[in-house]
Amino acid sequence: NAGVTQTPKFQVLKTGQSMTLQCAQDMNHEYMSWYRQDPGMGLRLIHYSVGAGITDQGEVPNGYNVSRSTTEDFPLRLLSAAPSQTSVYFCASSATSGGETQYFGPGTRLLVL
Amino acid sequence: QQQVKQSPQSLIVQKGGISIINCAYENTAFDYFPWYQQFPGKGPALLIAIRPDVSEKKEGRFTISFNKSAKQFSLHIMDSQPGDSATYFCAARSETGANNLFFGTGTRLTVIP
Repeated sequence: NAGVTQTPKFQVLKTGQSMTLQCAQDMNHEYMSWYRQDPGMGLRLIHYSVGAGITDQGEVPNGYNVSRSTTEDFPLRLLSAAPSQTSVYFCASSATSGGETQYFGPGTRLLVL
Repeated sequence: QQQVKQSPQSLIVQKGGISIINCAYENTAFDYFPWYQQFPGKGPALLIAIRPDVSEKKEGRFTISFNKSAKQFSLHIMDSQPGDSATYFCAARSETGANNLFFGTGTRLTVIP
């Protein structure tokens, strides 16, 4: 199993550009989530999904959209990038919405100029 | 508002010493308290976790101590090794919030040979 994969590894955007961060898992996990990691702030939840077709907002959802059309994929969309969205983004998954171990992807480092 | 407060921000320990990282929370609905370990350039990985019905959990050199009345928990790393050098995050999950984790701000541990 590849586990949780994320693409791209690194991206540079200009303010106002849009892009999609990809996340996929091959463990048939129901729960998937997106976090952003910023220095001194830990990881903060952006959006999450408890199954295909179901998504909800986390702590810091503004400026981001998600969808979950399949169990495997959970893309994160930035509609109009802002410098404040410069961060490292992690996708995670777990077996059920009550499952305890979350498996994290390797991260996407995003720089918005 | 940080739901889980973590200290210290950084920690330097001699090889063979004990590393101690502390966390505190306010939300009594939290029912699961994991610790994640993150190496540079990698995603966080579950290290050890505890539920509030026990006061201590030990796995190898890693021990979680949990004080439910004080709403505090801590990670102890015995016989710290240079390979333990990483960033450690405590986290908490609410029994009512899917599998969403609230993370502390992280502790960068450096173990000096």
